[in-house]
Amino acid sequence: EVQLLESGGGLVQPGGSLRLSCAASGFTFSSYAMSWVRQAPGKGLEWVSAISSGGGSTYYADSVKGRFTISRDSSKNTLYLHIDSLRAEDTAVYYCAKAGASSISYYDNWGQGILVTVSS
Amino acid sequence: EIVLTQSPATLSLSPGERATLSCRASQSVSSYLAWYQQRRGQAPRLLIYDASKRATGIPARFSGSGSGTDFTLTISSLEPEDFVVYYCQQRSNWPLTFGGGTKVEIK
Repeated sequence: EVQLLESGGGLVQPGGSLRLSCAASGFTFSSYAMSWVRQAPGKGLEWVSAISSGGGSTYYADSVKGRFTISRDSSKNTLYLHIDSLRAEDTAVYYCAKAGASSISYYDNWGQGILVTVSS
Repeated sequence: EIVLTQSPATLSLSPGERATLSCRASQSVSSYLAWYQQRRGQAPRLLIYDASKRATGIPARFSGSGSGTDFTLTISSLEPEDFVVYYCQQRSNWPLTFGGGTKVEIK
């Protein structure tokens, strides 16, 4: 059974930094692209970032480019999202999602989500 | 960026009725469109991919159709658990985008 477990969220002040982690199990992590998708309170889904199966290619939404960095460690079966210069509009539940073999993909498995709140 | 517009925003129906949800793309996405279901407080669940293929374990009452810019998710007979929110997503071009969602509510 595929499991994705996010951690690292919480309350952060504007301008602060945070690193989200997503521990993956139940599938061959290194064979699949991965993504982060977020959902602001009461709002719809917003794709944030994706990383190829090997980690060599990364993709970002314009709204986060230059502030967010996606990475992965296949030795630990873990996906990361490093977030700098946090803004109030980054407040959201952040989901880790498993893509297909291709980076540009759909998401067939999702974590339960982790809340990031940006507030002073 | 490809904009996906879902309509209606809210659909009011009764259990057993047929639901028809629309997703329109600002430019062609070929058949690279998926539909997700999201229950309150839960992560999205993949229902349909490549416009018309049901994901693993999805009941046959869910079906998808369309290509190019116009897509439809049909729920043939609404069950009580189907009254939640649905999103479409395209994987034709970066950035990946989602529609704004359609809420199916009990009439």
